Amino acid sequence: QAQLVQSGAEVKRPGASVRVSCKASGYTFTSYAISWVRQAPGQGLEWLGSMSTYSDTRNFAPRFHGRLTMSSDTSTSTAYMDLSSLRSDDTAVYYCARVVGSSEDSWGQGTLITVSS
Amino acid sequence: DIQMTQSPSSLSASVGDRVTITCRASQVISNHLAWFQQKPGKAPKSLIYDASNLHSGVPSKFSGGGSGTDFTLTISSLQPEDFATYYCQQYSSFPLTFGGGTKVEIK
Repeated sequence: QAQLVQSGAEVKRPGASVRVSCKASGYTFTSYAISWVRQAPGQGLEWLGSMSTYSDTRNFAPRFHGRLTMSSDTSTSTAYMDLSSLRSDDTAVYYCARVVGSSEDSWGQGTLITVSS
Repeated sequence: DIQMTQSPSSLSASVGDRVTITCRASQVISNHLAWFQQKPGKAPKSLIYDASNLHSGVPSKFSGGGSGTDFTLTISSLQPEDFATYYCQQYSSFPLTFGGGTKVEIK
């Protein structure tokens, strides 16, 4: 079955950038889009954006437009999320998820990004 | 943006209880609604898509209903493994938006 494995936790300084990877297995990577969702400590889920894995189609939550980049490497079945100009309120667990139809069905294990000086 | 409002924000229930959670959209979203379950420290688990369709492997004690702006998630007989936080999400239009969550606790 589909499996998504994310990169490990990171600590970043304010103003820095971070890249989270999401390696897919168990299905044809280019057949499904990937979404990115985050969860701040003690808070609910927040959708960041979704990306096609075979075209340039991207959709972003407006508040992240300009700071968020989503990309993929089809040769390794890996999706990437880059978030720049980090602030303390970007501290969260970041999840990737496979999109089937228009809804997420399989999720990565999550990556904790801590932004602290 | 479409606002998703869940109620209640938390509830206490006993094993064996029937539990219903409500999700309301700020505008019509047809049946473009999903439900997720999340346990502490774990990734969300996808339960339902298109308002009422169970993902593969999800037990039939979970059911979803509704269309338009008002939706429900029902757990027919609550079991210990069902105590978790549940989220709805609309995917009718971008940006996708989640409800605030409903925490189901043991009474």
